[in-house]
Amino acid sequence: AQSVTQLGSHVSVSEGALVLLRCNYSSSVPPYLFWYVQYPNQGLQLLLKYTSAATLVKGINGFEAEFKKSETSFHLTKPSAHMSDAAEYFCAVRSGANSKLTFGKGITLSVRP
Amino acid sequence: DVKVTQSSRYLVKRTGEKVFLECVQDMDHENMFWYRQDPGLGLRLIYFSYDVKMKEKGDIPEGYSVSREKKERFSLILESASTNQTSMYLCASSYREFGRDEKLFFGSGTQLSVL
Repeated sequence: AQSVTQLGSHVSVSEGALVLLRCNYSSSVPPYLFWYVQYPNQGLQLLLKYTSAATLVKGINGFEAEFKKSETSFHLTKPSAHMSDAAEYFCAVRSGANSKLTFGKGITLSVRP
Repeated sequence: DVKVTQSSRYLVKRTGEKVFLECVQDMDHENMFWYRQDPGLGLRLIYFSYDVKMKEKGDIPEGYSVSREKKERFSLILESASTNQTSMYLCASSYREFGRDEKLFFGSGTQLSVL
């Protein structure tokens, strides 16, 4: 079985501050991990993905995430938040190439001016 | 750009009605998915399809059915709508071959209200 835990439902940061969104996963086999973002009134779009290559993954809009097997984590970071980063962020896991994707509950990021 | 189009952005139906949600993709993707999104619960998979006329149950299939008669179109059917099916419904598609492109492409969603 596979699962994803995103603790908390809401994170608020000031513009220019570090963004850190946490994700922990559970998987019986080496996982594939993803972060998706949902802007208001839109569908989800892929931010970045880990598929067993480099453990530090860079995505769009300055985001990156690091796969840490020992901590079963895949936290999302961005050095400097921008107002346009305000959105809902979902972590997702896939246990193997042929399994379905399981999403976390999502976390809403607010950015204060 | 890949486009996943959902037929309605907002839909209001009455309890007991039969409801059809339509989704069309233009990228020749083999896989198509229906999720529902509820606050605090994230996305939950209802049904998915790996090929025409093929369907598999996801995590919460009760009260729903699906139809995939053509590769580009995947329909979600609520046989008898109930108020607990009020939700945002998201359609997604992807290639079957994992190494080709692992990401899902999502539609903008249909907000369904059942009164």
